[in-house]
Amino acid sequence: NAGVTQTPKFQVLKTGQSMTLQCAQDMNHEYMSWYRQDPGMGLRLIHYSVGAGITDQGEVPNGYNVSRSTTEDFPLRLLSAAPSQTSVYFCASSYGPEQDTQYFGPGTRLTVL
Amino acid sequence: ILNVEQSPQSLHVQEGDSTNFTCSFPSSNFYALHWYRWETAKSPEALFVMTLNGDEKKKGRISATLNTKEGYSYLYIKGSQPEDSATYLCASPLYSNYQLIWGAGTKLIIKP
Repeated sequence: NAGVTQTPKFQVLKTGQSMTLQCAQDMNHEYMSWYRQDPGMGLRLIHYSVGAGITDQGEVPNGYNVSRSTTEDFPLRLLSAAPSQTSVYFCASSYGPEQDTQYFGPGTRLTVL
Repeated sequence: ILNVEQSPQSLHVQEGDSTNFTCSFPSSNFYALHWYRWETAKSPEALFVMTLNGDEKKKGRISATLNTKEGYSYLYIKGSQPEDSATYLCASPLYSNYQLIWGAGTKLIIKP
């Protein structure tokens, strides 16, 4: 079992560039989510999905898009990168969002210059 | 309390000592409380998910209690070891049943 995988592990972008952070899980989890983690702050939810074809916004969705065409994959797209998006991004999955253990990917460290 | 709050922000503990820290959350509309351990350069790993008032859970030297009526949970570590050094996060679904809200964490440093 690979669990939750994320690519890339590190990325440097210039302001205005776009890119997609990949996330995949092989545990047949319905719920998937994207978080960003900034120093001194808790994990903040960007977008989440309760199943294939269903996505919704979290606490900090601006500047990001997601899609969920399959149960396994949940990519996060940065539309036009800004320095404020410099952060560590974590993808997580679980059977459900409330009472079920969240399994995290290894994270992507993104720097926007 | 309108958010998930953790205290203290950081904690230095001598190896062998026991310690505890707190997660506070709104007591109304409680659904669940999660504890995770996050080591540097790794990703968060689950410790406990607690749902019932008075719940006590234990994993090795780590245990947690839950008081949903007053809105707090304690995480205890008995006989701290260097490998316990990590940031401990708690989270709860506050605003909807689809979003976990996370505390900022307690960073635990064990001094040998």
